[in-house]
Parts: sequence; C-alpha cells; structure tokens
Amino acid sequence: SQKIEQNSEALNIQEGKTATLTCNYTNYSPAYLQWYRQDPGRGPVFLLLIRENEKEKRKERLKVTFDTTLKQSLFHITASQPADSATYLCALAVSYGNNRLAFGKGNQVVVIP
Amino acid sequence: DTAVSQTPKYLVTQMGNDKSIKCEQNLGHDTMYWYKQDSKKFLKIMFSYNNKELIINETVPNRFSPKSPDKAHLNLHINSLELGDSAVYFCASSQSLGDYEQYFGPGTRLTVT
Repeated sequence: SQKIEQNSEALNIQEGKTATLTCNYTNYSPAYLQWYRQDPGRGPVFLLLIRENEKEKRKERLKVTFDTTLKQSLFHITASQPADSATYLCALAVSYGNNRLAFGKGNQVVVIP
Repeated sequence: DTAVSQTPKYLVTQMGNDKSIKCEQNLGHDTMYWYKQDSKKFLKIMFSYNNKELIINETVPNRFSPKSPDKAHLNLHINSLELGDSAVYFCASSQSLGDYEQYFGPGTRLTVT
C-alpha cells in the first residue's frame, strides 16, 4: 500500500541549531515533492518544491533534499528560531499533470529559546 | 488583501442538515481544490477544478458536491450531514495544473452534532 511517513514525535530543538525532518514514502513515484508549514488553526503555507531530477533546493535558511533511490526527502532548517515552531508537511505529487498531492501527517518542530 | 478566503470560518450544525462552504481566490489562478483535514490531522484531497472543469474527484460520498461558478470561486455543498463529516475543510488554489505551489485558505471548521 502507499505510505508517506513523517515522524509523529515532535522535534524539540535549541534555538540556533539545525532541525532536520524526514519524509519517507513507499509505492509512490513522485515527479516532485513539496514542503508546507502549518501553524495551529491556519492553512498550510508553501515553502519549497523539489523535482525528481533535483538533488537539493535552498531558500534562505531552508534546505530540501530528494533521494528517489532511498524514497526519502530531508528538510532542514538552519539557525532555527522560535518563530520556526510549527508543523511541517511533506506532500508528494501523486500524478503529474493535475497537481494532485498526497500529504504526510506532518512533523511538529518546537524551537526552544 | 486575502489571497484565498473561505466562509464561514466555523460551522456548527446538526446531523441531517445541508450546508455550504464558499471559497474565493483573488490570485488569478486557474486551479482550485478542496481538502479535508480530519482529527488525526491528515490532509486529503477531495476535489479540484481547472478553469471550472472538474479534474480530481476523489472517493468521497456523493453527498459532497463542488460547484465552480467561475474560476475564482469554488464552493462545497454537503447534503445530509453526518457526524463523520466533522473536520476542517481547506480550499486551495494554484496557478495551473502541473508542478505549482498551492495557496491555502484559512479553513472552515465544521462540527456536526
């Protein structure tokens, strides 16, 4: 069966350190993958998109990697700040051409001042 | 200047009632979506429209009927509400089909009693 797995335990991290989140998937062949941030009571906000032929993407303090052999994406927040505390969702493109996304359950990050 | 707006934000209603949720986007996007986020926080696609044409129609009860009067609006009508319909419903839009980021609305929390 198809699965998208993100760590269900919250990641508690000290301010200034790098937070690393993992998204593993099985029985998908996504053409691209997206990461979103969701704050309590709000809609998800897009952060980064990475395509299957790209190894790494960066945006400010964020970095995403995509390994289609391992079927894994890693999401890094460098120099983390308390304002980075949120839930981060991994989303896979289920089929190309209609932007149909399958979301993981999300991984909560808590940055401790 | 809200990009994707939904009304109402909260909806409390009794089983068996019919209700609608409205969504509007002012981004000039061609594609709009409805998602359901249940109590376990899984975000699942329900429908998508591109230029008023139905593109994605997931396996949802036919009590749920989307309507797109124009490409800036996508409404969701739910007939004969059931307890299991209680969830947060998110509307989203993207520039078009393909590998574009999705912009989410603030969500409508539906509670069926």
